[in-house]
Amino acid sequence: DTVLTQSPALAVSPGERVSISCRASEGVNSYMHWYQQKPGQQPKLLIYKASNLASGVPARFSGSGSGTDFTLTIDPVEADDTATYFCQQSWNDPRTFGGGTKLELK
Amino acid sequence: EVKLVESGGGLLKPGGSLKLSCVASGFTFSNYWMHWVRQAPGKGLEWIGEIEYDGTETNYAPSIKDRFTISRDNAKNTLYLQMSSVRSEDTATYFCTVQTGSWFAYWGQGTLVTVSS
Repeated sequence: DTVLTQSPALAVSPGERVSISCRASEGVNSYMHWYQQKPGQQPKLLIYKASNLASGVPARFSGSGSGTDFTLTIDPVEADDTATYFCQQSWNDPRTFGGGTKLELK
Repeated sequence: EVKLVESGGGLLKPGGSLKLSCVASGFTFSNYWMHWVRQAPGKGLEWIGEIEYDGTETNYAPSIKDRFTISRDNAKNTLYLQMSSVRSEDTATYFCTVQTGSWFAYWGQGTLVTVSS
């Protein structure tokens, strides 16, 4: 299976820029997607195919990368962005998710 | 508005069975692959399986293969997950989600399944 590795947690101040990384154990082309999940809620799609902003998602969110290294960037970070962020690949079977990065605001 | 509503979760003993449902609305259900994803308490997301448009093809994660079965009733806009021979490690919130492109644009709110003796 394709293992997706994310840093467990990050802490940033509102107004700053934050980059959340996701590294795949094998190439996934551009088929990496990002989700935001707040406590007690379902995941919400933010970015699809590495760099495409999902409908209704603020332009503060952006994605980049291809192959094995991907980044979700939030600039500027707002208080409402406190959540866990998951990457997910759909290039290799089975589909897999990263372990999630918990974003906390200082 | 796309809506996915899961139901059927609850408490069951190891070795037991349970059937989850997911009712879809706001889109043409029969045109989309559907998936189940689960999340153990405090843990990450785990893809567990998928079913194609008319139900003729299903694929499962190795962790649940041969124990869980995904099916659908397009006339009722409903997706199912039949769980059997459950184990404590199957304790999780189970989400249904619709595949758009090759990503998951819409998710239900989830239904909690607890396996405990």
